[in-house]
Amino acid sequence: GAVVSQHPSWVICKSGTSVKIECRSLDFQATTMFWYRQFPKQSLMLMATSNEGSKATYEQGVEKDKFLINHASLTLSTLTVTSAHPEDSSFYICSAPPPRGNQPQHFGDGTRLSIL
Amino acid sequence: GDSVTQMEGPVTLSEEAFLTINCTYTATGYPSLFWYVQYPGEGLQLLLKATKADDKGSNKGFEATYRKETTSFHLEKGSVQVSDSAVYFCALSDSGGGGADGLTFGKGTHLIIQP
Repeated sequence: GAVVSQHPSWVICKSGTSVKIECRSLDFQATTMFWYRQFPKQSLMLMATSNEGSKATYEQGVEKDKFLINHASLTLSTLTVTSAHPEDSSFYICSAPPPRGNQPQHFGDGTRLSIL
Repeated sequence: GDSVTQMEGPVTLSEEAFLTINCTYTATGYPSLFWYVQYPGEGLQLLLKATKADDKGSNKGFEATYRKETTSFHLEKGSVQVSDSAVYFCALSDSGGGGADGLTFGKGTHLIIQP
């Protein structure tokens, strides 16, 4: 079964609204989680690293004020797309490494965000 | 910085055909290499991995060998099935795919298998 749960799986909203996406590790604690963005027929691009108890680390070119990340607990990270616009429409995917080191990350099923 | 290049798709094959999806990488040091698969409407699933040179990852009939001399990690399967239709991503990690770093992905190759 899934070990990383992402919610919602699909959201459609009007331009200007803010959208929150949740990423939960279901049976393990994750001090670090990763957020990716995938454009249609494109690769996944790492947006930011979410760190429990501290600020997220953003990749170059990613607006931290646009994409707010909160890692409130050892099992939950949230990505909030603030004042979303049509160009923010994309597929957002989170991942979390298992607690035992040097093991592949677990990915969520992704959230398809459509801004009208 | 790190990068992954994989062949453009879509790749269309008949059932039972031989599959090769090419993947080459650029990285500092000795990365770990991965193939992920994304079935329609689903998230990413790890297909196989290799953590050092000459390692061969295998799963579900798929194989890939970590070739340091050619910086490649080509995905192969001897006889594909319709159920193999999906998007395949080659990826690398400088930290073994564990907690320290996010992954660097290729653009993905859409594989279509016709009956």
